[in-house]
Amino acid sequence: DGGITQSPKYLFRKEGQNVTLSCEQNLNHDAMYWYRQDPGQGLRLIYYSQIVNDFQKGDIAEGYSVSREKKESFPLTVTSAQKNPTAFYLCASSISAGDNEQFFGPGTRLTVL
Amino acid sequence: QQQVKQSPQSLIVQKGGISIINCAYENTAFDYFPWYQQFPGKGPALLIAIRPDVSEKKEGRFTISFNKSAKQFSLHIMDSQPGDSATYFCAAQAVFSSGSARQLTFGSGTQLTVLP
Repeated sequence: DGGITQSPKYLFRKEGQNVTLSCEQNLNHDAMYWYRQDPGQGLRLIYYSQIVNDFQKGDIAEGYSVSREKKESFPLTVTSAQKNPTAFYLCASSISAGDNEQFFGPGTRLTVL
Repeated sequence: QQQVKQSPQSLIVQKGGISIINCAYENTAFDYFPWYQQFPGKGPALLIAIRPDVSEKKEGRFTISFNKSAKQFSLHIMDSQPGDSATYFCAAQAVFSSGSARQLTFGSGTQLTVLP
C-alpha cells in the first residue's frame, strides 16, 4: 500500500530531552512537510522540504530541526529549546512543492512530562 | 501573517440536516481552497477543493460555495450523517513569497457532531 507512515503513534519524553519523530513515504513524492496541531489552532507549518538535501523553515521552526537525506524520509527532531513541545505532529507529502494536494500521515502525539 | 478565519468552532446537527461551516481569508494571493476532514487520532484527508474562478463545487453531499469579492468560502454538508462527525478544516494555498513552493494556511477547525 502506498502512503505515509509516522512512528511512533504515541511518544512520551521527559522535559529537556530531544526526541525524533519518524516520517516515511512510499509515494515517490518530492516534497514533504511537518505540521504541528494544537487544540483550537489548526495546523501550523514547522518545516518543509522541496527535494532531497533541501529544507526550509515554516512559520514555527524555532526549537525544531529536520533532515532530508533520502527522498522517502523526513525526520523531525523536537529539541529541548522548544518551549511547549506537547502536541500532535503531522507529516505530509506532495508530488512536488508546487503541487496543490498534500497527503497526510496518521500523526504522532508527543507528550512531554 | 496570512490568516484564514473559520467558524463555528463546534457544530451540532441532527441526522439529515445541513451542516454549514464558514471561512474567510485576507490574502488575495490565495488561489486554491481545500477542505480537510479529520477523525480523532488520524491525519486530515482532503475532502473537496475549489479554485477562485468558480463560485461553487459539488461532490456528492459536499458543496463548497465561494465568494471571491467577499473573500469568503463555506462548506455545506447535505443530509448530514453520524459518520460525518469529525473535525473539518478549511485551508487556503498560495506560493511562498520566497520561491515556487506552495504553502497551505489552515483555519482553526470545526468539530462537527451529527446526532442520530
